[in-house]
Amino acid sequence: DQQVKQNSPSLSVQEGRISILNCDYTNSMFDYFLWYKKYPAEGPTFLISISSIKDKNEDGRFTVFLNKSAKHLSLHIVPSQPGDSAVYFCAASDGGNKLTFGGGTRVLVKP
Amino acid sequence: DGGITQSPKYLFRKEGQNVTLSCEQNLNHDAMYWYRQDPGQGLRLIYYSQIVNDFQKGDIAEGYSVSREKKESFPLTVTSAQKNPTAFYLCASRAVSSGNTIYFGEGSWLTVV
Repeated sequence: DQQVKQNSPSLSVQEGRISILNCDYTNSMFDYFLWYKKYPAEGPTFLISISSIKDKNEDGRFTVFLNKSAKHLSLHIVPSQPGDSAVYFCAASDGGNKLTFGGGTRVLVKP
Repeated sequence: DGGITQSPKYLFRKEGQNVTLSCEQNLNHDAMYWYRQDPGQGLRLIYYSQIVNDFQKGDIAEGYSVSREKKESFPLTVTSAQKNPTAFYLCASRAVSSGNTIYFGEGSWLTVV
């Protein structure tokens, strides 16, 4: 039973435009959410996070939105750059000691 | 430089052999984790440890073993009982006092032939 789902396996976007990545979760105990970026054959790097007491968190070109009633979060990247081409994972925590990850979305930013 | 070091980066082993992947961190983090990633899939938790000399099974612990004798080190042994060991293995750590963000090493590719 996948508790964190990223339903779009891939996304292609033109450089300079907005990339929107989506993530849905089923466990209502999740109260902290994170996004990671991963290049091939490398470890994921932390991008941005959001607590369930907020509905938006922004860091430079990256903004995460959380809709608790819909159990949905999204990551917006504006403007998208070629270096953003990578796999993005969303992850969730229930306040315990481990993160549950989604399956990832591969983003391709075309010049 | 502070960070998480995994070794080796690439490892080939024959079927039926045990293999141990090393993970060392100098971040003074309390918790350490092992995840596995298969091609085109997400990260699945194998084992984690919150303190020295203690560890818990994750979602896919069968065929793996770990130890946590030192705070800095969390080696993972892939045993011959693991049915599909070929994968990308990721070690991670977290400072328990500073929230839920975990930080990853560079990963180790294990190929069993």
